[in-house]
Amino acid sequence: AQSVTQLGSHVSVSEGALVLLRCNYSSSVPPYLFWYVQYPNQGLQLLLKYTSAATLVKGINGFEAEFKKSETSFHLTKPSAHMSDAAEYFCAVTPPAGGYNKLIFGAGTRLAVHP
Amino acid sequence: DTEVTQTPKHLVMGMTNKKSLKCEQHMGHRAMYWYKQKAKKPPELMFVYSYEKLSINESVPSRFSPECPNSSLLNLHLHALQPEDSALYLCASSQEGAGVRNTEAFFGQGTRLTVV
Repeated sequence: AQSVTQLGSHVSVSEGALVLLRCNYSSSVPPYLFWYVQYPNQGLQLLLKYTSAATLVKGINGFEAEFKKSETSFHLTKPSAHMSDAAEYFCAVTPPAGGYNKLIFGAGTRLAVHP
Repeated sequence: DTEVTQTPKHLVMGMTNKKSLKCEQHMGHRAMYWYKQKAKKPPELMFVYSYEKLSINESVPSRFSPECPNSSLLNLHLHALQPEDSALYLCASSQEGAGVRNTEAFFGQGTRLTVV
């Protein structure tokens, strides 16, 4: 079965520092992977998605992620954290069959940004 | 318009009440979803509608009853809920339906439900 594992339920960085949020997937076939962000008391917003067109994917708000098949990883990075980046981040995968964007989410990583 | 609109934003209901959650999108998406999110947890899929027909029911209790009156609207009817059903209920939509895995789902802001 498809799944994603997010390493680190909480990540804290200083404003201006590099942000690195980790996501590893398990899949026997090429997956489609997504990163979503959720601000407090809000819905989810797509940051970026990997659909096999390019291994380095650029998203909104300066975020990017690199798909590494050899490491089964899809880590999210941002060169310089901003206070407004504080939120919950979810990595998600869709299963190989059935479609419907049946998103399977990781447990989430809460990003804190301090001055 | 890339919005998914959910109403109400907050709902408090008793265990004997009947209420409905509403979701609307005007992006021409033919797949619509209900997710349930408990505090500090990721969203969990409840139902999927594709072309106004129920395609997936993730073994959700019958006290939750979905309805898709047309391609733009999705309802979730609630009856005889339990306190443990308190959660954020998220609606989402995406292009097409079956066989499409790589298009993103657009989420609404959610309805914060409290069952007392």
